[in-house]
Amino acid sequence: QVHLVESGGGVVQPGRSPRLSCAASGFTFSTYDMHWVRQAPGKGLEWVAVISYDGSSRYYVDSVKGRFTISRDNSKNTLHLQMNILEPEDTAVYYCAKEGVDYGGNSGYFDYWGQGTLVTVSS
Amino acid sequence: IVMTQSPATLSVSPGERVTLSCRASQSVSSNLAWYQQKPGQAPRLLIYGASTRATGIPARFSGSGSGTEFTLTISSLQSEDFAVYYCQQYNNWPPFTFGPGTKVDIK
Repeated sequence: QVHLVESGGGVVQPGRSPRLSCAASGFTFSTYDMHWVRQAPGKGLEWVAVISYDGSSRYYVDSVKGRFTISRDNSKNTLHLQMNILEPEDTAVYYCAKEGVDYGGNSGYFDYWGQGTLVTVSS
Repeated sequence: IVMTQSPATLSVSPGERVTLSCRASQSVSSNLAWYQQKPGQAPRLLIYGASTRATGIPARFSGSGSGTEFTLTISSLQSEDFAVYYCQQYNNWPPFTFGPGTKVDIK
């Protein structure tokens, strides 16, 4: 059974640099691309970042480029999101999500999600 | 790619057939997923590949379309189906993009 558990959220002052973590279990973590998706209070879903299964490729939404860094530790089945230079607009629930792969090899949808961790940027 | 969804809100009665629409600003082939999100919960994958139900999703949920026009149909709405529904394209990325969502509430 796939299980994703995020941690590291809380109230953070603007300019601070928290790191979110996502502990994965129930699947072979090292063979799947992983994502962070966020949701501002009362708003829709926004994809944030993806990291390839081996960590060799990373992509970000423009609004976090240069500020956030996605990483993974396949020996510990853990995904991270280092968040630097936080802005009030970064206030959101941050979900980690496993990328799904269909029988034809197409991928890019999110078949399992964690419960999310709330990051509130406030002075 | 910009994703749009209509309507923004849909008020329906249990047992009714529901049709939600999703449009992409350019073709995404069949690389389209649908998610359901209930208050306080994470999104749940319903449909991927535009029409393939995810594991454990009831047969009353079906997806159709390709290119730029997609539909999610709930054949007979159950009480547990009142939620917000999002579409997401994964054909051209980054970024992966979601629609703004359609809220299905009780009439």
